[in-house]
Amino acid sequence: KNEVEQSPQNLTAQEGEFITINCSYSVGISALHWLQQHPGGGIVSLFMLSSGKKKHGRLIATINIQEKHSSLHITASHPRDSAVYICAVRRYNTDKLIFGTGTRLQVFP
Amino acid sequence: DVKVTQSSRYLVKRTGEKVFLECVQDMDHENMFWYRQDPGLGLRLIYFSYDVKMKEKGDIPEGYSVSREKKERFSLILESASTNQTSMYLCASSSPGVVYTEAFFGQGTRLTVV
Repeated sequence: KNEVEQSPQNLTAQEGEFITINCSYSVGISALHWLQQHPGGGIVSLFMLSSGKKKHGRLIATINIQEKHSSLHITASHPRDSAVYICAVRRYNTDKLIFGTGTRLQVFP
Repeated sequence: DVKVTQSSRYLVKRTGEKVFLECVQDMDHENMFWYRQDPGLGLRLIYFSYDVKMKEKGDIPEGYSVSREKKERFSLILESASTNQTSMYLCASSSPGVVYTEAFFGQGTRLTVV
């Protein structure tokens, strides 16, 4: 079983819809990252969380440390949000990241 | 604007060639990483460097080596390229430990070995 699991693997939405991507992990962590990868490959960091909730524009990330679960929400989705969203966790006492396999999001006009 | 820059976006190499992938960061980060990304497998760590001349094997180091002679540059070397090393390679950097920051990624190098 992977230490970081994401769901769903693929997601399609109509423009304007509210989107949720989930991440569950099975190890003790000091931080969780949400990353975005557009076609072409480059990865951009969206959020780094260790507790609670963060918001940036239409993106919201939450984490529940007790339940070992995080969610990434996109409000009022837009076709430019189409990308692969990747959850990654940093284990205690290490600087290495463990990655989920990603959620491919397509938003149609 | 902080940057992690990989030397090539696309590379095509022949089986048996020695291949160098270069990564440079301008954030004075101690940590640098090389990953490969394959469909359905996510990013997997090849090697990690936490300081100049210091390195640590990741999850899949076989067939690869690395070099970190200067803090800003981390090179991945495929000693004798094979077709199963066809993949997307991503470099990243971060600050360590208690001042840990976000990880910053390069734009990726898509390597094809024929």
